[in-house]
Amino acid sequence: NAGVMQNPRHLVRRRGQEARLRCSPMKGHSHVYWYRQLPEEGLKFMVYLQKENIIDESGMPKERFSAEFPKEGPSILRIQQVVRGDSAAYFCASSPPGTGVSYEQYFGPGTRLTVT
Amino acid sequence: GNSVTQMEGPVTLSEEAFLTINCTYTATGYPSLFWYVQYPGEGLQLLLKATKADDKGSNKGFEATYRKETTSFHLEKGSVQVSDSAVYFCALDTGRRALTFGSGTRLQVQP
Repeated sequence: NAGVMQNPRHLVRRRGQEARLRCSPMKGHSHVYWYRQLPEEGLKFMVYLQKENIIDESGMPKERFSAEFPKEGPSILRIQQVVRGDSAAYFCASSPPGTGVSYEQYFGPGTRLTVT
Repeated sequence: GNSVTQMEGPVTLSEEAFLTINCTYTATGYPSLFWYVQYPGEGLQLLLKATKADDKGSNKGFEATYRKETTSFHLEKGSVQVSDSAVYFCALDTGRRALTFGSGTRLQVQP
């Protein structure tokens, strides 16, 4: 059973370009989460999605950032007009359907975005 | 708001030493508590968890007890190995599924 897949693993963009980060959840998982990790810091929650729905985007910057999880295909985190401060590791996690507090989030290996 | 505070690293120990990494939290309600481990260049792996007061999570020789009275979830291991060298993150969730992480503690175990 493949784990959470993220690609690309490393992405270099010039200031002003767009960055697209992809996440394929584990098989059978319908919940996806995106987190950002700045150097030497912990992870910060960005957004929580289910198929075709954004459930919680309270951690997303108001501008330039968007996320989707379509009915078919991977979840996409999109950053428009990147700036140097967007340089970070972006982690995706997934969890199975259902409710309850004892769920577990499974993390992917991350995409390291460098803005030059 | 919710927050997690961890002891600053790096923590440097000799092999077979006893490990404690302190974690305290502030949260509304009754959060679930987690310890994650991150090895170099990899994503986070869940190490252990506890969902209610006095629960003890354990895995691979690591343990942590959910202490509501002191709002703490300290990570312990009786005898560390070189392979335990990694960054350890304490985290909580109040049911929103948005994990709140501490800043991480780097552990270096020397042979």
